[in-house]
Amino acid sequence: QKEVEQDPGPLSVPEGAIVSLNCTYSNSAFQYFMWYRQYSRKGPELLMYTYSSGNKEDGRFTAQVDKSSKYISLFIRDSQPSDSATYLCAPTGGSYIPTFGRGTSLIVHP
Amino acid sequence: ETGVTQTPRHLVMGMTNKKSLKCEQHLGHNAMYWYKQSAKKPLELMFVYSLEERVENNSVPSRFSPECPNSSHLFLHLHTLQPEDSALYLCASSAGTVTAEAFFGQGTRLTVV
Repeated sequence: QKEVEQDPGPLSVPEGAIVSLNCTYSNSAFQYFMWYRQYSRKGPELLMYTYSSGNKEDGRFTAQVDKSSKYISLFIRDSQPSDSATYLCAPTGGSYIPTFGRGTSLIVHP
Repeated sequence: ETGVTQTPRHLVMGMTNKKSLKCEQHLGHNAMYWYKQSAKKPLELMFVYSLEERVENNSVPSRFSPECPNSSHLFLHLHTLQPEDSALYLCASSAGTVTAEAFFGQGTRLTVV
């Protein structure tokens, strides 16, 4: 089993939709749960992260972690065409070295 | 700009060439990383340096050779590469044991012909 599983998509939604992006992981030692966004021909940039279980909100973005089921989610409200990118989940343990999923390609069309 | 600069942005090299990728970070971080990103695959961690010492080497072929002369600079020396090594090579840095946030450069798009 891979350490981090993420559906590569693409996920295509209309502008204004609520988007749900998800990952599952296998390593119980993961403590930090990060989401990176990668635009085409750019390096990934950190979008937000949570520590342990729970929710964290930042503007239109909400990150959610359920450690009991090893399930990570990122919700985007009122999605915009500028949100079109690849979203990578990256849980991390005590070594502080991120382990990345494959990324989900999101397309928001006007 | 992210504070992590990679050069060159694009590189085409033959299988018998020797070339080097360069990464520089201006964030005062003490950990630096090389990742390989191929199409339809997760980011693959190649090397980790913490305080200029290599702390991780994920079974990377010896045709890839990292060098970290100081905490701000990281190199990846390439020799006798194979076409399957064509990928986006990403450098990242972080504050190491303080925080898990990694900051990435723009990457070097490598094509081996």
